[in-house]
Amino acid sequence: QKEVEQDPGPLSVPEGAIVSLNCTYSNSAFQYFMWYRQYSRKGPELLMYTYSSGNKEDGRFTAQVDKSSKYISLFIRDSQPSDSATYLCAMSDPSGGYNKLIFGAGTRLAVHP
Amino acid sequence: DTAVSQTPKYLVTQMGNDKSIKCEQNLGHDTMYWYKQDSKKFLKIMFSYNNKELIINETVPNRFSPKSPDKAHLNLHINSLELGDSAVYFCASSRPGVPYEQYFGPGTRLTVT
Repeated sequence: QKEVEQDPGPLSVPEGAIVSLNCTYSNSAFQYFMWYRQYSRKGPELLMYTYSSGNKEDGRFTAQVDKSSKYISLFIRDSQPSDSATYLCAMSDPSGGYNKLIFGAGTRLAVHP
Repeated sequence: DTAVSQTPKYLVTQMGNDKSIKCEQNLGHDTMYWYKQDSKKFLKIMFSYNNKELIINETVPNRFSPKSPDKAHLNLHINSLELGDSAVYFCASSRPGVPYEQYFGPGTRLTVT
């Protein structure tokens, strides 16, 4: 079993839809949870991070962490074609001084007009 | 004024050759990383340096040798290249006290023939 599981998709939605992206993990020691966006042939770009359980909102993006279920989510409201990318969840491994990020496989999202 | 830059962007070489990839960051960060993204888009950490000191060394063949001449630069040298080394290699950096907030370069696409 991988430490971080993420459905690779692809996920195809119409413009304006609410998108839900999810990851599960197995290591209860994880404390920092990140979401990265990666456009085709580009480097991953940090969207937001959350510490421990709870919600965090940034514009159209909301990140949720449920540590009791070892489940994290990223919601995108009013999705736009420019949101079409691969979304990677990542978790910071405390055994590596939080420097070591463990990534999910990424979910490919396509938002069509 | 690119934050994290890598050279070259593309590298095509034959099996058995030795090659280097260079990374530079102008963010004033003190920690730098090398990640490998395979054909299935799975991103995995290889090495990390903090102020020129190696702090993460994952299970990577010793044909891969990182070098950090100063905290703004991190290079990756690969000896005796193999077909399985074909991947995209990303450099990243983070600032003091926030190791989980990593900023990635554009990647170097290595193809070994």
